[in-house]
Amino acid sequence: DAGVIQSPRHEVTEMGQEVTLRCKPISGHDYLFWYRQTMMRGLELLIYFNNNVPIDDSGMPEDRFSAKMPNASFSTLKIQPSEPRDSAVYFCASSSQPGTGVIYGYTFGSGTRLTVV
Amino acid sequence: GENVEQHPSTLSVQEGDSAVIKCTYSDSASNYFPWYKQELGKGPQLIIDIRSNVGEKKDQRIAVTLNKTAKHFSLHITETQPEDSAVYFCAATRNFGNEKLTFGTGTRLTIIP
Repeated sequence: DAGVIQSPRHEVTEMGQEVTLRCKPISGHDYLFWYRQTMMRGLELLIYFNNNVPIDDSGMPEDRFSAKMPNASFSTLKIQPSEPRDSAVYFCASSSQPGTGVIYGYTFGSGTRLTVV
Repeated sequence: GENVEQHPSTLSVQEGDSAVIKCTYSDSASNYFPWYKQELGKGPQLIIDIRSNVGEKKDQRIAVTLNKTAKHFSLHITETQPEDSAVYFCAATRNFGNEKLTFGTGTRLTIIP
């Protein structure tokens, strides 16, 4: 497996525009997490899914943020409209329980560096 | 909710010496404690983890110790090498594999050649 795959790696957009970040989890992992990393706040959880169902979205900062997981192999995080304070690195991670025959534990993607100007 | 504190925030050690990073957690129900290494421009990578039924775990030059009573856990790197330079994060969770991780604030480790 190629690991957790995120796209794009870098995104520069103008304030007010819609931004969509994408994630492909490790095959067989049934949990998917979206984290945001900034110097000021460190790594903070935005939302996580289990079997494609959102479990906890209490970390989503505002209604401008939304996340979906239409199937087990794909998730999106959308920001509409984007603002300069949304600039950060966004990570996707996936996990499974041990003994399920797949890589266990939390595995992170390489992240998407978002810059809103 | 869980709160994880990590110290120090920066650490510089001479190549070949040992490095120790310490974390404390608040939720006595937490039972899984991974450590991640993050290199510049990359995502956090799991380097070692420990579960609450074990007091110590070692993998080559890296070891983690856990004191459940005191709610402390530590990362030990021996015989440090330049490639160990990175930011290290500790984390904690109640349910291994199926619940969110709460991260510490990170330690920037610099190995001086």
